[in-house]
Amino acid sequence: IAGITQAPTSQILAAGRRMTLRCTQDMRHNAMYWYRQDLGLGLRLIHYSNTAGTTGKGEVPDGYSVSRANTDDFPLTLASAVPSQTSVYFCASSDQTYGEQFFGPGTRLTVL
Amino acid sequence: AQSVAQPEDQVNVAEGNPLTVKCTYSVSGNPYLFWYVQYPNRGLQFLLKYITGDNLVKGSYGFEAEFNKSQTSFHLKKPSALVSDSALYFCAVRDMRNTDKLIFGTGTRLQVFP
Repeated sequence: IAGITQAPTSQILAAGRRMTLRCTQDMRHNAMYWYRQDLGLGLRLIHYSNTAGTTGKGEVPDGYSVSRANTDDFPLTLASAVPSQTSVYFCASSDQTYGEQFFGPGTRLTVL
Repeated sequence: AQSVAQPEDQVNVAEGNPLTVKCTYSVSGNPYLFWYVQYPNRGLQFLLKYITGDNLVKGSYGFEAEFNKSQTSFHLKKPSALVSDSALYFCAVRDMRNTDKLIFGTGTRLQVFP
């Protein structure tokens, strides 16, 4: 593993289903983030974690939950998916020195 | 409120010509500013950052950015554009109220024509 990996690469999901997007980093960064990217809206922060064991809400947290059991993993869960959650999801991490973030390749999620 | 603005949705430039992608910011205190690039179906890649010091920052792939405190701008520039520079570019500023977060602009699509 080099950097940040996300899984799956893409997924089509029926509305109402539960889905977990996975994110793993090998840079030993303390901070991790989940963003969604939608056309014309740029990147919006969903949830973040400053360190293992802590999480916080971002700009658009409703309908999503996260956990941070260890430094490397930061899964994002949609408890009951809705079509408005159709988006591309990016995970990122930061060593917090200057705030520079490193991004994963993204997960393209379609909710029907 | 702290914010970043990218006033142009798209910038078109001919290959070999200089390019500029604009960014303005609004923050309290001294800003930490960043540029990222996103190629199709890829994640964001870090290009360069301004923390302190020289107002002209040099980054990856021949890009540079000029920090202008009086105009609260951080425009991305390249002296000679390549077709391969065509991508989506994001400006970001560190949220000094929450120092672990970045505030992103909405992005500017750069199209370089042969």
